[in-house]
Parts: sequence; C-alpha cells; structure tokens
Amino acid sequence: DSGVTQTPKHLITATGQRVTLRCSPRSGDLSVYWYQQSLDQGLQFLIQYYNGEERAKGNILERFSAQQFPDLHSELNLSSLELGDSALYFCASSGAGTGGTEAFFGQGTRLTVV
Amino acid sequence: GDSVTQMEGPVTLSEEAFLTINCTYTATGYPSLFWYVQYPGEGLQLLLKATKADDKGSNKGFEATYRKETTSFHLEKGSVQVSDSAVYFCALNGRGGGADGLTFGKGTHLIIQP
Repeated sequence: DSGVTQTPKHLITATGQRVTLRCSPRSGDLSVYWYQQSLDQGLQFLIQYYNGEERAKGNILERFSAQQFPDLHSELNLSSLELGDSALYFCASSGAGTGGTEAFFGQGTRLTVV
Repeated sequence: GDSVTQMEGPVTLSEEAFLTINCTYTATGYPSLFWYVQYPGEGLQLLLKATKADDKGSNKGFEATYRKETTSFHLEKGSVQVSDSAVYFCALNGRGGGADGLTFGKGTHLIIQP
C-alpha cells in the first residue's frame, strides 16, 4: 500500500460529460502529481501541485483542470469528455517539490467514456 | 524536451534467466533516474533510483547504473522469477526547469515462464 488513495476506482460516463477524480496523498506529502496512462500515449505527466499552488504543467488539455485543497487532497476535473479521454488516471505524491524525490503512486482511476 | 526510450517488448524469458531492459534518455542538466514497476491492476511502485552519474540503484535483486557518458540506465537482474512478471518503466526527473513531473518511457512488458 503506497498510502495514496484515489477514488473512484472505475468510472463510466458519456461523451460531453464532466467528471471529478479525487486523490488523497500520503500523510505529510505536499506535492501531488496527476498522470494519464493510455495505450497509445503511454504515461503522460499532466500537472503538479505543491502545498496548494500549481507548480508545473505537462500535457494537460484545456478541458482538464486540477486543484489542491488546504487539507492537501487534490481533484482532477475533466470536462467535455471525448472517447479519447478514456484512460487510467494516476495520482502520485512526494514529500518535496523537485529533484530525486521518490513519488508514491495511487492505484489509479480507470475512466471509460462511451 | 526530456525523453526516455526503452524496449517495449513483450520480453519473454524462462525462470532463472538473466534480464536486461535497456533504457536511454535525453535531458538537459543532470536528471535523477528511476525504474518503476507496475503489476497487473496496480499502480506504479518505485523499484530503484539513482540521482547522479555512476550511482548504482539496487533493490530486490535488480540493479541499474547511471551512465552519463552513454545517457543510459539499463535494468538488470541475474536470475528472474515468475513473480517478476510485470511492466517496467524507466523514468527521469529533470532538474533543468520545465515540467517537474516524471518523464516516462513507454514501458516494457516482462513475461517470465516457469
């Protein structure tokens, strides 16, 4: 058990809809990262938050947004969903902001858009 | 930008065989390098890491050495077991600015046959 909790584990929704994925980081970790894993793109970094502030952006679409709350949990919001957004979405957390710090991954949320 | 290239497989070996999974990278500055493992239905787990040139990371019989001159971080294990069957990801965390999340290779699916 990595200590990172993601909910829900599975989500099925229709095109055009909006969903929210939730992540609780390991106790004490200030950084939260979101990744998307798909068969064609592999694992892609989406966005990082550090202690409530956006720290870095990767390949995140404008239809997607995230935030980190004062209790350090994070939410990833996906809107105007398309079939191609079907993927496994991982959250990871670490104790610091940069460099060689190990990131601990949750078990992921599998999103299916139909 | 940063990138990681690894053999995608699947790689099929017999139990007790020697394993090498190649990984090369492109990055500015001096990244930290990681190998993560993903077992079926689970999130990613850190297998080993190296934060500077010539460092050797090791864990559970797996080893990888950070080779700056060849920009490589090949994963090796002397005698694989059926329980090592999983997908292995090479990753880097750049320190040269830009997105602070991990950059992953496409993953190598390893199958160990008894």
